[in-house]
Amino acid sequence: SQQGEEDPQALSIQEGENATMNCSYKTSINNLQWYRQNSGRGLVHLILIRSNEREKHSGRLRVTLDTSKKSSSLLITASRAADTASYFCATDGERFGNEKLTFGTGTRLTIIP
Amino acid sequence: GAVVSQHPSRVICKSGTSVKIECRSLDFQATTMFWYRQFPKQSLMLMATSNEGSKATYEQGVEKDKFLINHASLTLSTLTVTSAHPEDSSFYICSASVPGQGIKTEAFFGQGTRLTVV
Repeated sequence: SQQGEEDPQALSIQEGENATMNCSYKTSINNLQWYRQNSGRGLVHLILIRSNEREKHSGRLRVTLDTSKKSSSLLITASRAADTASYFCATDGERFGNEKLTFGTGTRLTIIP
Repeated sequence: GAVVSQHPSRVICKSGTSVKIECRSLDFQATTMFWYRQFPKQSLMLMATSNEGSKATYEQGVEKDKFLINHASLTLSTLTVTSAHPEDSSFYICSASVPGQGIKTEAFFGQGTRLTVV
């Protein structure tokens, strides 16, 4: 299986704290993306980081990428109750134009008000 | 962002019947769409790649005769679960990427379909 691993599997923190999730993958990539899924719903794209980038910010989100370790992290700062969801990393193949995504196992984040 | 609409959001069917799920790209043309399956509290597993005007490409272990995919137009792909059984109960999600984005492969997902086979 090409599926990546995410840790932790579940994370509960107090509102206002920062949440960090990690993702490891197995093959060379073009991009790594993070998605959010609210319970029983589709996925919402959060941020994309290219293989030649090391860090990217978007609002309260900060993503890092270490291609030598084949790992990425997602940091959500100043968490809010609305951030409660499952978070997945997804990688695409190194071949140009490969749109097929491989998802990590996901982290279930619970923000306690 | 681009919009992908999936219908129905929930369906309950009797064992042995077939169920069709639709995936539409509302504001762009998608030559390729993807169908995923997700079990409770688990990740998405790619089932097949739907190609407009040609046969779908199935992932290893996915029965093509059981999960029929049709991508007859640039905005519509359908997944038909044939002769459904309780073990087919799952959450099915489609996605599509906006073409011409180069290596930026952000995917847009449908809302998902919760299938329950009784």
